[in-house]
Amino acid sequence: DSGVTQTPKHLITATGQRVTLRCSPRSGDLSVYWYQQSLDQGLQFLIQYYNGEERAKGNILERFSAQQFPDLHSELNLSSLELGDSALYFCASSPEGGRNTEAFFGQGTRLTVV
Amino acid sequence: DAKTTQPPSMDCAEGRAANLPCNHSTISGNEYVYWYRQIHSQGPQYIIHGLKNNETNEMASLIITEDRKSSTLILPHATLRDTAVYYCIVRVARSGSARQLTFGSGTQLTVLP
Repeated sequence: DSGVTQTPKHLITATGQRVTLRCSPRSGDLSVYWYQQSLDQGLQFLIQYYNGEERAKGNILERFSAQQFPDLHSELNLSSLELGDSALYFCASSPEGGRNTEAFFGQGTRLTVV
Repeated sequence: DAKTTQPPSMDCAEGRAANLPCNHSTISGNEYVYWYRQIHSQGPQYIIHGLKNNETNEMASLIITEDRKSSTLILPHATLRDTAVYYCIVRVARSGSARQLTFGSGTQLTVLP
Protein backbone atom coordinates (compact mmCIF):
# COMPACT_ATOMS: atom_id res chain seq x y z
CA ASP A 1 0.00 0.00 0.00
CA SER A 2 1.58 3.26 -1.19
CA GLY A 3 -0.60 5.46 0.99
CA VAL A 4 -2.07 7.23 -2.05
CA THR A 5 -5.82 6.71 -2.42
CA GLN A 6 -7.71 7.10 -5.66
CA THR A 7 -11.45 6.95 -6.14
CA PRO A 8 -13.35 5.56 -7.85
CA LYS A 9 -11.47 2.44 -8.92
CA HIS A 10 -13.63 1.96 -11.98
CA LEU A 11 -15.79 4.37 -13.94
CA ILE A 12 -17.92 3.75 -17.00
CA THR A 13 -19.49 6.69 -18.73
CA ALA A 14 -20.80 7.79 -22.10
CA THR A 15 -19.18 10.01 -24.69
CA GLY A 16 -19.74 13.69 -24.10
CA GLN A 17 -20.05 13.30 -20.35
CA ARG A 18 -17.93 14.81 -17.59
CA VAL A 19 -16.28 12.92 -14.73
CA THR A 20 -14.17 13.77 -11.70
CA LEU A 21 -11.38 11.58 -10.42
CA ARG A 22 -10.18 12.05 -6.88
CA CYS A 23 -6.78 11.54 -5.28
CA SER A 24 -5.72 11.70 -1.64
CA PRO A 25 -1.94 11.93 -1.37
CA ARG A 26 0.20 10.37 1.33
CA SER A 27 0.05 12.22 4.61
CA GLY A 28 2.41 15.16 4.48
CA ASP A 29 3.12 15.00 0.73
CA LEU A 30 2.69 18.40 -0.89
CA SER A 31 3.05 17.41 -4.55
CA VAL A 32 0.43 15.57 -6.54
CA TYR A 33 0.93 14.31 -10.09
CA TRP A 34 -1.57 12.93 -12.57
CA TYR A 35 -0.67 10.40 -15.24
CA GLN A 36 -2.67 8.77 -18.00
CA GLN A 37 -1.95 5.27 -19.24
CA SER A 38 -3.63 4.11 -22.40
CA LEU A 39 -2.84 0.99 -24.39
CA ASP A 40 -1.14 2.83 -27.23
CA GLN A 41 0.48 5.73 -25.37
CA GLY A 42 2.01 4.23 -22.27
CA LEU A 43 2.33 6.29 -19.09
CA GLN A 44 1.99 9.99 -19.88
CA PHE A 45 2.45 12.82 -17.41
CA LEU A 46 -0.53 15.16 -17.35
CA ILE A 47 -0.07 17.75 -14.62
CA GLN A 48 1.58 18.46 -11.26
CA TYR A 49 0.32 20.49 -8.33
CA TYR A 50 2.38 21.59 -5.38
CA ASN A 51 0.68 22.90 -2.24
CA GLY A 52 -2.34 24.05 -4.18
CA GLU A 53 -0.52 25.64 -7.09
CA GLU A 54 -0.02 24.25 -10.57
CA ARG A 55 3.68 23.41 -10.96
CA ALA A 56 4.02 21.71 -14.33
CA LYS A 57 1.91 20.69 -17.28
CA GLY A 58 2.46 17.78 -19.57
CA ASN A 59 0.30 16.34 -22.32
CA ILE A 60 -2.97 17.42 -20.77
CA LEU A 61 -5.85 18.18 -23.11
CA GLU A 62 -7.78 21.43 -22.80
CA ARG A 63 -10.88 19.35 -21.98
CA PHE A 64 -9.09 18.15 -18.85
CA SER A 65 -8.40 20.22 -15.75
CA ALA A 66 -7.19 19.61 -12.25
CA GLN A 67 -6.97 21.31 -8.92
CA GLN A 68 -5.47 20.72 -5.51
CA PHE A 69 -7.43 21.73 -2.45
CA PRO A 70 -6.22 23.19 0.87
CA ASP A 71 -6.32 19.73 2.44
CA LEU A 72 -3.98 18.66 -0.41
CA HIS A 73 -6.33 16.22 -2.07
CA SER A 74 -6.60 16.66 -5.81
CA GLU A 75 -9.25 16.20 -8.44
CA LEU A 76 -8.86 15.60 -12.15
CA ASN A 77 -11.84 16.74 -14.19
CA LEU A 78 -12.37 15.23 -17.64
CA SER A 79 -15.08 16.75 -19.81
CA SER A 80 -16.61 16.19 -23.26
CA LEU A 81 -15.32 12.66 -23.00
CA GLU A 82 -14.34 10.76 -26.11
CA LEU A 83 -13.76 7.05 -26.67
CA GLY A 84 -10.04 7.71 -26.78
CA ASP A 85 -10.05 9.00 -23.23
CA SER A 86 -10.57 5.46 -22.00
CA ALA A 87 -7.48 4.74 -19.95
CA LEU A 88 -6.03 4.17 -16.53
CA TYR A 89 -5.50 7.41 -14.64
CA PHE A 90 -2.89 7.37 -11.90
CA CYS A 91 -2.21 9.86 -9.20
CA ALA A 92 1.16 10.04 -7.47
CA SER A 93 2.43 12.08 -4.58
CA SER A 94 5.82 13.00 -3.22
CA PRO A 95 7.15 15.12 -0.40
CA GLU A 96 8.93 18.34 -1.18
CA GLY A 97 12.24 19.69 -0.01
CA GLY A 98 14.58 16.83 -0.75
CA ARG A 99 16.30 16.33 -4.08
CA ASN A 100 15.78 12.66 -4.62
CA THR A 101 12.43 11.76 -3.20
CA GLU A 102 10.56 9.14 -5.13
CA ALA A 103 6.93 9.31 -6.20
CA PHE A 104 4.29 7.06 -4.67
CA PHE A 105 1.50 5.98 -6.99
CA GLY A 106 -2.08 5.11 -6.26
CA GLN A 107 -3.79 2.07 -7.73
CA GLY A 108 -5.45 4.11 -10.43
CA THR A 109 -8.92 4.78 -11.78
CA ARG A 110 -9.89 2.79 -14.84
CA LEU A 111 -12.07 4.98 -17.02
CA THR A 112 -14.12 3.41 -19.79
CA VAL A 113 -15.93 5.71 -22.19
CA VAL A 114 -18.65 3.99 -24.22
CA ASP B 1 16.00 14.46 -19.20
CA ALA B 2 18.22 11.88 -20.88
CA LYS B 3 16.70 9.19 -23.10
CA THR B 4 16.93 5.57 -22.01
CA THR B 5 16.99 2.32 -23.96
CA GLN B 6 15.80 -0.98 -22.50
CA PRO B 7 15.18 -4.40 -24.04
CA PRO B 8 11.44 -4.88 -24.57
CA SER B 9 11.30 -8.23 -22.78
CA MET B 10 13.32 -10.67 -20.70
CA ASP B 11 12.71 -14.00 -19.02
CA CYS B 12 14.22 -15.24 -15.79
CA ALA B 13 13.92 -18.51 -13.91
CA GLU B 14 12.38 -18.33 -10.47
CA GLY B 15 15.04 -18.16 -7.76
CA ARG B 16 17.71 -16.88 -10.12
CA ALA B 17 19.00 -13.33 -10.34
CA ALA B 18 17.29 -11.08 -12.85
CA ASN B 19 19.61 -8.55 -14.47
CA LEU B 20 17.82 -5.77 -16.30
CA PRO B 21 20.01 -3.47 -18.41
CA CYS B 22 19.42 0.15 -19.28
CA ASN B 23 21.39 2.33 -21.63
CA HIS B 24 21.52 6.07 -20.98
CA SER B 25 24.49 7.19 -23.00
CA THR B 26 23.46 10.88 -23.02
CA ILE B 27 23.13 11.18 -19.26
CA SER B 28 24.30 14.44 -17.73
CA GLY B 29 26.36 14.83 -14.60
CA ASN B 30 23.42 15.96 -12.49
CA GLU B 31 20.97 13.30 -13.67
CA TYR B 32 19.98 10.37 -11.48
CA VAL B 33 18.96 6.89 -12.59
CA TYR B 34 15.61 5.75 -11.20
CA TRP B 35 13.92 2.37 -11.51
CA TYR B 36 10.21 1.79 -11.16
CA ARG B 37 8.13 -1.27 -11.91
CA GLN B 38 4.50 -1.78 -12.78
CA ILE B 39 2.79 -5.05 -12.00
CA HIS B 40 -0.06 -5.62 -14.40
CA SER B 41 -2.19 -2.43 -14.42
CA GLN B 42 -1.28 -1.52 -10.85
CA GLY B 43 0.30 1.81 -10.00
CA PRO B 44 4.04 2.03 -10.68
CA GLN B 45 6.22 1.21 -7.70
CA TYR B 46 9.53 2.85 -6.89
CA ILE B 47 12.43 0.39 -6.63
CA ILE B 48 15.72 2.22 -6.32
CA HIS B 49 17.73 5.16 -7.61
CA GLY B 50 21.36 6.26 -7.80
CA LEU B 51 23.73 8.89 -9.12
CA LYS B 52 27.11 7.25 -9.60
CA ASN B 53 27.67 4.80 -6.79
CA ASN B 54 26.13 1.34 -6.70
CA GLU B 55 23.08 1.16 -4.50
CA THR B 56 21.31 -1.65 -2.70
CA ASN B 57 18.06 -1.83 -0.79
CA GLU B 58 15.70 -4.56 0.33
CA MET B 59 14.25 -4.91 -3.15
CA ALA B 60 17.18 -4.70 -5.54
CA SER B 61 20.68 -3.56 -6.38
CA LEU B 62 21.58 -0.89 -8.90
CA ILE B 63 24.92 -1.07 -10.66
CA ILE B 64 25.96 2.05 -12.58
CA THR B 65 28.98 1.88 -14.88
CA GLU B 66 31.88 4.18 -14.18
CA ASP B 67 31.11 6.34 -17.24
CA ARG B 68 27.43 6.37 -16.16
CA LYS B 69 26.29 5.56 -19.67
CA SER B 70 24.50 2.39 -18.59
CA SER B 71 23.15 0.66 -15.53
CA THR B 72 21.80 -2.70 -14.44
CA LEU B 73 19.01 -3.42 -12.01
CA ILE B 74 19.52 -6.70 -10.20
CA LEU B 75 16.76 -8.63 -8.49
CA PRO B 76 18.87 -11.16 -6.57
CA HIS B 77 16.31 -13.96 -6.24
CA ALA B 78 13.44 -13.41 -8.62
CA THR B 79 10.01 -14.70 -7.68
CA LEU B 80 6.84 -15.03 -9.72
CA ARG B 81 5.60 -11.83 -8.06
CA ASP B 82 8.45 -9.93 -9.70
CA THR B 83 6.84 -10.39 -13.11
CA ALA B 84 6.24 -6.80 -14.19
CA VAL B 85 7.27 -4.04 -16.56
CA TYR B 86 10.44 -2.39 -15.31
CA TYR B 87 11.12 1.23 -16.20
CA CYS B 88 14.51 2.90 -16.16
CA ILE B 89 14.16 6.68 -15.91
CA VAL B 90 16.89 9.29 -15.95
CA ARG B 91 16.20 12.75 -14.67
CA VAL B 92 17.57 15.74 -12.90
CA ALA B 93 16.63 16.01 -9.25
CA ARG B 94 16.29 19.67 -8.36
CA SER B 95 14.72 20.58 -5.10
CA GLY B 96 11.56 22.58 -5.65
CA SER B 97 11.36 21.89 -9.36
CA ALA B 98 8.82 19.95 -11.32
CA ARG B 99 9.42 16.29 -10.74
CA GLN B 100 7.42 14.53 -13.34
CA LEU B 101 8.68 11.16 -14.50
CA THR B 102 9.03 10.35 -18.18
CA PHE B 103 8.23 6.68 -18.67
CA GLY B 104 9.48 4.87 -21.75
CA SER B 105 8.38 1.45 -22.91
CA GLY B 106 10.25 -0.43 -20.19
CA THR B 107 11.24 -4.09 -20.04
CA GLN B 108 8.61 -6.76 -19.52
CA LEU B 109 10.24 -9.20 -17.11
CA THR B 110 8.61 -12.60 -16.94
CA VAL B 111 9.72 -14.87 -14.12
CA LEU B 112 9.22 -18.48 -15.09
CA PRO B 113 8.51 -21.28 -12.60
